[in-house]
Amino acid sequence: EAQVTQNPRYLITVTGKKLTVTCSQNMNHEYMSWYRQDPGLGLRQIYYSMNVEVTDKGDVPEGYKVSRKEKRNFPLILESPSPNQTSLYFCASNPAGSASYGYTFGSGTRLTVV
Amino acid sequence: GDSVTQMEGPVTLSEEAFLTINCTYTATGYPSLFWYVQYPGEGLQLLLKATKADDKGSNKGFEATYRKETTSFHLEKGSVQVSDSAVYFCALSVDNNNDMRFGAGTRLTVKP
Repeated sequence: EAQVTQNPRYLITVTGKKLTVTCSQNMNHEYMSWYRQDPGLGLRQIYYSMNVEVTDKGDVPEGYKVSRKEKRNFPLILESPSPNQTSLYFCASNPAGSASYGYTFGSGTRLTVV
Repeated sequence: GDSVTQMEGPVTLSEEAFLTINCTYTATGYPSLFWYVQYPGEGLQLLLKATKADDKGSNKGFEATYRKETTSFHLEKGSVQVSDSAVYFCALSVDNNNDMRFGAGTRLTVKP
């Protein structure tokens, strides 16, 4: 089944403790992206990647890092999480240059930073 | 910049009522337009899309028409069901690049 898999689904952590949210897709998509979803703000893009070793900032990159060492994986790294990063996070993928097909989304990761 | 604005919710309807969720857009180039649906506890799923003016996207009884003259892409359904309760997002992508811009989302609750 074609899918984007995120882990974990739920995570509670403390301020300053480094964490990684994994994202993997099995569709051989070149493009991958991370979003955060907050009430009243919709989805805001954090980082995206056009292909292996090619990443770029989205609208709200502060406090986040990403890497794209393999085509299928696009982990989101919070080096020193803070409470304002409490949010619902989504990973998405798409064939390169084919936004008209729409994105495929993961099921989300609900992160709470205390 | 490129953006979409959709009606604020929440929207509460009785089963079999008519649904409209308004969406308007601003685009610097030529946009493709989308509606996504998010059911409770799940990720977003593509509901329908339209890639050129006057196109009508449709799926699961939902429809939306790409109106260039009014820069709109309103979502409609003639008779909603309880199972349609979800958050609906309007989105656009300009010139077929990979950047997708989302609206704030509209929560729909359908009561029996």
